[in-house]
Amino acid sequence: DQQVKQNSPSLSVQEGRISILNCDYTNSMFDYFLWYKKYPAEGPTFLISISSIKDKNEDGRFTVFLNKSAKHLSLHIVPSQPGDSAVYFCAARKPYGQNFVFGPGTRLSVLP
Amino acid sequence: KAGVTQTPRYLIKTRGQQVTLSCSPISGHRSVSWYQQTPGQGLQFLFEYFSETQRNKGNFPGRFSGRQFSNSRSEMNVSTLELGDSALYLCASSLLTSSYEQYFGPGTRLTVT
Repeated sequence: DQQVKQNSPSLSVQEGRISILNCDYTNSMFDYFLWYKKYPAEGPTFLISISSIKDKNEDGRFTVFLNKSAKHLSLHIVPSQPGDSAVYFCAARKPYGQNFVFGPGTRLSVLP
Repeated sequence: KAGVTQTPRYLIKTRGQQVTLSCSPISGHRSVSWYQQTPGQGLQFLFEYFSETQRNKGNFPGRFSGRQFSNSRSEMNVSTLELGDSALYLCASSLLTSSYEQYFGPGTRLTVT
């Protein structure tokens, strides 16, 4: 039973355009969401997070949107750069210090 | 500040054997979590240790076990290896057990033949 879903295994975007990565979750108890980026042969690196009390968080070129009623969050990257090519994982945390649940990841390719 | 280190980086074992993986967290971090990454499955949570105590455990069989030492270094052990155990095993450390931010090591690639 996958509680965090990333239904697009891969996404290709032209350099300079917007990349939109989507994530859906089933458990309404999740209170914190994160995005991680992973390059080959490296561990995931934290990118951006959002609390369930907010609907938007922005950090430079990265913006995460949270729609609690739809149980959906998305990561926007504007403008996309070739160095953004990586696998992006969405993760959600249950309250009271429980573990994170990760989605299967979306491979983003930014084409020059 | 040094990052999370994992040893070994690559490992090849045969079915039935056992394996021990090691993780050294960032200095000062007390929580260590272990994840298994396989294609299409994302990161599956194995367990979390905080101050030498297992706090959380994922849905993995008892063949998967771990421990944490007083210096916060952690080891993960898999006994009676199966072909399906082939995966990238990632360790993540965080300052506090309820921290929202985890720092990952590069992982140990385990191949079971």
